Amino acid sequence: GAVVSQHPSRVICKSGTSVKIECRSLDFQATTMFWYRQFPKQSLMLMATSNEGSKATYEQGVEKDKFLINHASLTLSTLTVTSAHPEDSSFYICSARVLAGVPGQYFGPGTRLLVL
Amino acid sequence: DAKTTQPPSMDCAEGRAANLPCNHSTISGNEYVYWYRQIHSQGPQYIIHGLKNNETNEMASLIITEDRKSSTLILPHATLRDTAVYYCIFFPGGTSYGKLTFGQGTILTVHP
Repeated sequence: GAVVSQHPSRVICKSGTSVKIECRSLDFQATTMFWYRQFPKQSLMLMATSNEGSKATYEQGVEKDKFLINHASLTLSTLTVTSAHPEDSSFYICSARVLAGVPGQYFGPGTRLLVL
Repeated sequence: DAKTTQPPSMDCAEGRAANLPCNHSTISGNEYVYWYRQIHSQGPQYIIHGLKNNETNEMASLIITEDRKSSTLILPHATLRDTAVYYCIFFPGGTSYGKLTFGQGTILTVHP
């Protein structure tokens, strides 16, 4: 299946700093990428939908100024958590959609963010 | 969004078949049924998908009822490494929009 990578796999930062997470589709082009967040013992929650070359669409309750998403190319999307606070500590997972052939969506391995 | 209903948890003995049910009575004609699983602290892993017909791959089999209102994921010979949360999800056919919404899934525990 299609491979999606994320970097870094885990990050620890101080409160007030910004953190950037990269998501790449390695062997396919993804016009649409998605960012999810997952708290312990909970399911994945969609944060935003990112289309290449256009502004991301955020889910209700997700602050677009805090979670900056850039989808500059068909293989790369980035999520920047600005002015991170301890409550932003979570597991962030990106996903890329494949439309060629049978449609599918593939997920990255996730990034564990801990804000101290 | 369309919703699926899954039992919160299931147990299975190692080596036996694990049958995970999913109800999706509101599925539309062009929506696929996709199954993913998530092992602790990893991203969801694609397992299998189907539209109308039963499907089989190296990981699992998918049985979809004729009315498409429910399906069953079958892991024919469960191993301890199959312990994970299993999600049954609708996937909009042939479009770039449409969000995958995750429910709570089924926690499958495979025991020796």
